[in-house]
Amino acid sequence: EVQLVESGGGLVQPGRSLRLSCAASGITLDDYAMHWVRQAPGKGLEWVSGISWNSGNIGYADSVKGRFTISRDNAKNSLYLQMDSLRADDTALYYCAKDLSGTYSYGMDVWGQGTTVTISS
Amino acid sequence: SYELTQPPSVSVSPGQTASITCSGDKLGDKYASWYQQKPGQSPVLVIYQDTKRPSGIPERFSGSNSGNTATLTISGTQAMDEADYYCQTWDSSTGVFGGGTKLTVL
Repeated sequence: EVQLVESGGGLVQPGRSLRLSCAASGITLDDYAMHWVRQAPGKGLEWVSGISWNSGNIGYADSVKGRFTISRDNAKNSLYLQMDSLRADDTALYYCAKDLSGTYSYGMDVWGQGTTVTISS
Repeated sequence: SYELTQPPSVSVSPGQTASITCSGDKLGDKYASWYQQKPGQSPVLVIYQDTKRPSGIPERFSGSNSGNTATLTISGTQAMDEADYYCQTWDSSTGVFGGGTKLTVL
């Protein structure tokens, strides 16, 4: 069974940092692009960041550009999101999602259960 | 930045056809995907590359994309199809989601 498991969420104060991780099982991620998508409480989906299979193509939503950094370690079959200068509006459930292709332009066919990030003083 | 617009809600009777639209500038020149999300669950991909269904998605789900509008069509809608639906596309290597449509099966 293909599974993505996110971790690293929690409650942090504004301005602090968090690092999210996504571990895959049942599939080798190095053929696929990967994404982070978030959902604020009671709101819709928001694409946060994506990374191609070889890290050669990386993109960010305007709302996180310059503050978040996506990375991957194919040897560890894992995806990461370093989140700095966190703000209250970053509060959300963060999903890790696998793309259908190695270059992200198709769709996201496998999703994790998400990890909750809460930014509050 | 690129935007996708969906109707907030759509209602349909069981067994009827539901259509959910997604509008964006020259959206037909891009690929559109559709995701279903039920309360408390992670999203599920139901349509990708405008018209393709992932394995395991029922044939009653179909998609189209032309001009400025992509459409998700659910034929013979069932009670289990009641959910939020999101369209999604790519613009300059940036992902964009629509605001979501709540499908109610009355």
